[in-house]
Amino acid sequence: SAVISQKPSRDICQRGTSLTIQCQVDSQVTMMFWYRQQPGQSLTLIATANQGSEATYESGFVIDKFPISRPNLTFSTLTVSNMSPEDSSIYLCSEVRGTTEAFFGQGTRLTVV
Amino acid sequence: QKEVEQDPGPLSVPEGAIVSLNCTYSNSAFQYFMWYRQYSRKGPELLMYTYSSGNKEDGRFTAQVDKSSKYISLFIRDSQPSDSATYLCAMSGHDYKLSFGAGTTVTVRA
Repeated sequence: SAVISQKPSRDICQRGTSLTIQCQVDSQVTMMFWYRQQPGQSLTLIATANQGSEATYESGFVIDKFPISRPNLTFSTLTVSNMSPEDSSIYLCSEVRGTTEAFFGQGTRLTVV
Repeated sequence: QKEVEQDPGPLSVPEGAIVSLNCTYSNSAFQYFMWYRQYSRKGPELLMYTYSSGNKEDGRFTAQVDKSSKYISLFIRDSQPSDSATYLCAMSGHDYKLSFGAGTTVTVRA
C-alpha cells in the first residue's frame, strides 16, 4: 500500500484565478501522475510528472493551463490556471512503485464559480 | 471507440450474491490490469492487480484476465453492503499510464 496526501482536499474558486494542488507521497517513487475525474465520469490522465524535467502532457492538456512541478521523488504540484467552470473536477495524484501497482490520493475536489 | 469499455451498470444485487464486473480493451500494448473501488467522494482504492492471463484470488475477490480475448473480469463472492461502490477497471502498458473504464456502480442490498 501507499500513503499519498493531497492538499487541499477541496476548494471553491473564482473563475480566472489559479489553484495549486500539492501531492506528497510517503517514500521515493519512480513515477507520479496527475488525473482528472469530471463529474460522473471516469479518470483521465493529465500528465506524467517527471522529476527534474518538464512534465509530459497527454493530448488535450497543455502546460500553460496545467503547469506541474516535481522537485524531488516524493512531491509534486499541479496548478490549474485561469480557471473556468469547466475545470470543476476532482484532481487526483497517483504514484507507481516498482511492481507497477498504481495508488491514488484522496483527490482535490475543485469547484469553479 | 474507447480503448477500454466497461459494462455500464448500475448493478443491484442482494447481500450474499456474486457480483460480476467486466471490461474489454482494444490496445494490445496493455500488460497490467487493475481493479479499483471508489466510494463516493473518495479516491480510487486498488483492489486487485495482475499482469498475466488467468485467475488471481484475494479473499472474496477474483480477478480474471484473458489477453487473447482482451477481456478482464472481477468477481465478488458473498457480497456485502459495504461492497456498495463504483468499480473501475484500469490497465496500462510499460509506460504505466492508466486507461480507465467508465466505472460500474454496484449496490448490495441488505
